[in-house]
Amino acid sequence: NAGVTQTPKFQVLKTGQSMTLQCAQDMNHEYMSWYRQDPGMGLRLIHYSVGAGITDQGEVPNGYNVSRSTTEDFPLRLLSAAPSQTSVYFCASSVGTANTGELFFGEGSRLTVL
Amino acid sequence: SQQGEEDPQALSIQEGENATMNCSYKTSINNLQWYRQNSGRGLVHLILIRSNEREKHSGRLRVTLDTSKKSSSLLITASRAADTASYFCATDRSNDYKLSFGAGTTVTVRA
Repeated sequence: NAGVTQTPKFQVLKTGQSMTLQCAQDMNHEYMSWYRQDPGMGLRLIHYSVGAGITDQGEVPNGYNVSRSTTEDFPLRLLSAAPSQTSVYFCASSVGTANTGELFFGEGSRLTVL
Repeated sequence: SQQGEEDPQALSIQEGENATMNCSYKTSINNLQWYRQNSGRGLVHLILIRSNEREKHSGRLRVTLDTSKKSSSLLITASRAADTASYFCATDRSNDYKLSFGAGTTVTVRA
């Protein structure tokens, strides 16, 4: 099993551009989530999904969209990138029955917005 | 807002020594987890302790949970250079899928 795979690993955008961070898992996990990690602030939850067709907002959802059309994939879309979205983004998944449980993380996508 | 906060922010110890870090949280939890992150990598799950448990062991790791004080501690015994990493606590509440992370403790193990 590959686990949780994120692409791209690195990306540089200009302000106002849009892009999609891809996340795929091959563990048949129902729960998937996106976090951003900024220095000194730990990880903050952006959006999460408890199954295909179901998404919900986390702590910092503004400026990001998600969809969950399949169990395996959970892409994160930046509609109009801003310098404040410069961060490292992590996708994570878990079995997710009743609560989050043990999360399996991808290796991260480092995004710079100029 | 962050639910958990780790203390200290940074810790430097000699190989073979024990490392202890603490996590405090604000509201009642369903369970508490600890994760490790090596530089430039994703987080790796270490241990999960439920709200009705007081202590849990996994190899050289020992986690305690005191729900009356809303705090947890992670002890790493006989530390090794490979334990150099950042350690995060994370909490979730009953029927809540929002796992909340603290800012982490950076541990450096000197050879």
